[in-house]
Amino acid sequence: DAGITQSPRHKVTETGTPVTLRCHQTENHRYMYWYRQDPGHGLRLIHYSYGVKDTDKGEVSDGYSVSRSKTEDFLLTLESATSSQTSVYFCAISESVGPGLETQYFGPGTRLLVL
Amino acid sequence: GENVEQHPSTLSVQEGDSAVIKCTYSDSASNYFPWYKQELGKRPQLIIDIRSNVGEKKDQRIAVTLNKTAKHFSLHITETQPEDSAVYFCAATGSGTASKLTFGTGTRLQVTL
Repeated sequence: DAGITQSPRHKVTETGTPVTLRCHQTENHRYMYWYRQDPGHGLRLIHYSYGVKDTDKGEVSDGYSVSRSKTEDFLLTLESATSSQTSVYFCAISESVGPGLETQYFGPGTRLLVL
Repeated sequence: GENVEQHPSTLSVQEGDSAVIKCTYSDSASNYFPWYKQELGKRPQLIIDIRSNVGEKKDQRIAVTLNKTAKHFSLHITETQPEDSAVYFCAATGSGTASKLTFGTGTRLQVTL
């Protein structure tokens, strides 16, 4: 497995509270991604980063924000958690977008339950 | 944006038989098509990928075919084994500043003895 860790691995929180998930990589890859996985939906892109301080929205970005102050860390914040954000969150990294370099490697995931 | 449809949602085969999973995509600019395998409680792991300038790629018992004209691609697993049982996801990425993957909804493959 690529050097990707996610923390926490499991979290239970209450509706309305802010939550921050962390993705840490040791591969020095430029691109980082946050996905959520829900039954019947596969994996859906929330936000991604193409460099330090360079981020952009994915297809399901409402209610989420991200930050990347260092190459190795990509943070996902749920500003005010809702039950619809109960999901498994995966971070992924890729070296580049060029041929042979665009493979995305996934972290172990964070299971979030919002009560 | 890109839309990826995947069929079937579940597939049961006997050990030793072949399994085929099909995906269609909507964005003709998509140029990279990976397949991921996800075992229960684990992370998705890449098993094979193909770029739009190639029609077929094979790696031991796994092969992927791509039809750009029809905008569909397929995963073929031959001589299936119990350890092939998992959920398989196809994905496609178009042009842009990052490899923004759009995933299919997954196929649960069950290989029975």
